[in-house]
Amino acid sequence: EADIYQTPRYLVIGTGKKITLECSQTMGHDKMYWYQQDPGMELHLIHYSYGVNSTEKGDLSSESTVSRIRTEHFPLTLESARPSHTSQYLCASSGSYVGGRSPLHFGNGTRLTVT
Amino acid sequence: GQNIDQPTEMTATEGAIVQINCTYQTSGFNGLFWYQQHAGEAPTFLSYNVLDGLEEKGRFSSFLSRSKGYSYLLLKELQMKDSASYLCAVRDYGGATNKLIFGTGTLLAVQP
Repeated sequence: EADIYQTPRYLVIGTGKKITLECSQTMGHDKMYWYQQDPGMELHLIHYSYGVNSTEKGDLSSESTVSRIRTEHFPLTLESARPSHTSQYLCASSGSYVGGRSPLHFGNGTRLTVT
Repeated sequence: GQNIDQPTEMTATEGAIVQINCTYQTSGFNGLFWYQQHAGEAPTFLSYNVLDGLEEKGRFSSFLSRSKGYSYLLLKELQMKDSASYLCAVRDYGGATNKLIFGTGTLLAVQP
């Protein structure tokens, strides 16, 4: 069972503030991902990482940035939060590509509200 | 372009069987996943298909037809706790990327 943790669970913050959403996993997975999900909508990939010092932008354009300095840690930062950033942010990880299965394991998400 | 279609909502009765369909059009195909997501919680992995046919796992089964770009998730002996959103996701690249494209999900309501 994968263990992946996100903090905070909920965050309400004013416009213009800098925020960092934390994501950590204890399974030693090399691949990590950030998805954005609005209510009733599909998950959109905004960032991913193949390993330490590797980060790529996803399919959905995002003003956020990420870093991967340690295998277990993949934080997401918004330099200046805006109401359009209000959404749920889900972090996920996956292990080695063995037999193709390699499912994503998701954290519980951070529900961000920017006022 | 990339497109994954699922019904938005379905309703079924406790103890019954329900089939949730998913059709996809992607630039490539390297596996299809089904996830369950309860309200306010993280998606959890249910099943994986990469070859045509049926994969059975307890009360849950998933079917894939690559030539038709079609999959379904079959839930048997429905329980109230099965009320959730069911997400179909396709991996359209091979190798190391493992990026998934998700559908909007099907919200299943199980009634007594």
